[in-house]
Amino acid sequence: KAGVTQTPRYLIKTRGQQVTLSCSPISGHRSVSWYQQTPGQGLQFLFEYFSETQRNKGNFPGRFSGRQFSNSRSEMNVSTLELGDSALYLCASRLAASTDTQYFGPGTRLTVL
Amino acid sequence: GQNIDQPTEMTATEGAIVQINCTYQTSGFNGLFWYQQHAGEAPTFLSYNVLDGLEEKGRFSSFLSRSKGYSYLLLKELQMKDSASYLCAVQRAARQLTFGSGTQLTVLP
Repeated sequence: KAGVTQTPRYLIKTRGQQVTLSCSPISGHRSVSWYQQTPGQGLQFLFEYFSETQRNKGNFPGRFSGRQFSNSRSEMNVSTLELGDSALYLCASRLAASTDTQYFGPGTRLTVL
Repeated sequence: GQNIDQPTEMTATEGAIVQINCTYQTSGFNGLFWYQQHAGEAPTFLSYNVLDGLEEKGRFSSFLSRSKGYSYLLLKELQMKDSASYLCAVQRAARQLTFGSGTQLTVLP
């Protein structure tokens, strides 16, 4: 069974631009979560989607948004990029329940110049 | 991580045993995960504990005490490839998985 895939793997943007990242979960998994990882802050939760609905949301500004499609694939969007948005963005999928194990994708390394 | 404490760094010798501790607030506790993350890579799942006691999986074991809000990951027969960050993550009922800041383990020859 294929793992979680994320595209693109690397991205360079400039301040003020927007970016869309994509995540395809493991087949059969209906929950997708997004995390931001930086050296200083560690893994910070952005949001979780389940059956096309946002189930949980972290403490990030409204510039960060996401959605999930009927096939469970998910996208996250960051508008008006800031230098501080430079990070590794990780997507994780799990079957459904909050106690199911989350499996991570390889991440998208975003650099904002 | 929010209310999850683990040491920032640990160093051990190849072949030795190391124990990485994790303490957390017990309110709403619904399970605890350990992940391993090598530099530049995604976290990979190691273990899951929801009941008190020890879960053994090869060289790795994980222990949980729900009443004390305490867990540890035990790594035996350390190998160089075990050098990585080890993340403790707590699942609370109907909430997201919350990660600790990670423990950077360095295994020396």
